[in-house]
Amino acid sequence: QVQLQESGPGLVKPSETLSLTCTVSGGFISSYYWSWIRQPPGKRLEWIGYIYYSGSTNYSPSLKSRVTISVDTPKNQFSLKLTSVTAADTAVYFCARLGVVPAASLDYWGQGTLVTVSS
Amino acid sequence: EIVLTQSPDTLSLSPGERATLSCRASQSVSNNYVAWYQQKPGQAPRLLIYGASSRATGIPDRFSGSGSGTDFTLTISRLEPEDFAVYYCQQYGSMYTFGQGTMLEIK
Repeated sequence: QVQLQESGPGLVKPSETLSLTCTVSGGFISSYYWSWIRQPPGKRLEWIGYIYYSGSTNYSPSLKSRVTISVDTPKNQFSLKLTSVTAADTAVYFCARLGVVPAASLDYWGQGTLVTVSS
Repeated sequence: EIVLTQSPDTLSLSPGERATLSCRASQSVSNNYVAWYQQKPGQAPRLLIYGASSRATGIPDRFSGSGSGTDFTLTISRLEPEDFAVYYCQQYGSMYTFGQGTMLEIK
């Protein structure tokens, strides 16, 4: 059974960089696309971007200028960096698995981690 | 960007009843690439349906999906107590967007 676990600071100051890591267990990160999604309090889910195990990426146009997703295949991890954060970036951040092609649903999810942007 | 609008926002039903949830897209979804997820408080979303009508692994057959083009439906044939949750539709035919959710509550 594939399991994903997000980790990282729960509090980030405005204008700083949000950094999260997703650790995949029970399966290998290779051959799949992996994604970050967030959910601001009381709002709908928002896709942030995805990465292939080879390192190719695709980002939401609305966040593209601030987002970087990277992968560490030997560690079975992938990571999210979001720069210049504001209060609007406060959300629960989820990592999830896409499929072997990007046009796929999200079949495994982490539990999510709340990141609050506040001074 | 394809905008998904779910209806109703809240659905109040009793266990044993049939639930019908709707998801309408602002434009046709390529290949009917629509998924449905169930989310309970404090938990991650759980994939129920993909490709508009295919059940994900381990999902009971009381859950079914249908639709094409711009109109999609999730049906729960006989509600069990554990089915009361928030349901989201998602399209992955053109980038990825989610609906605003339908809360299914106990009447």
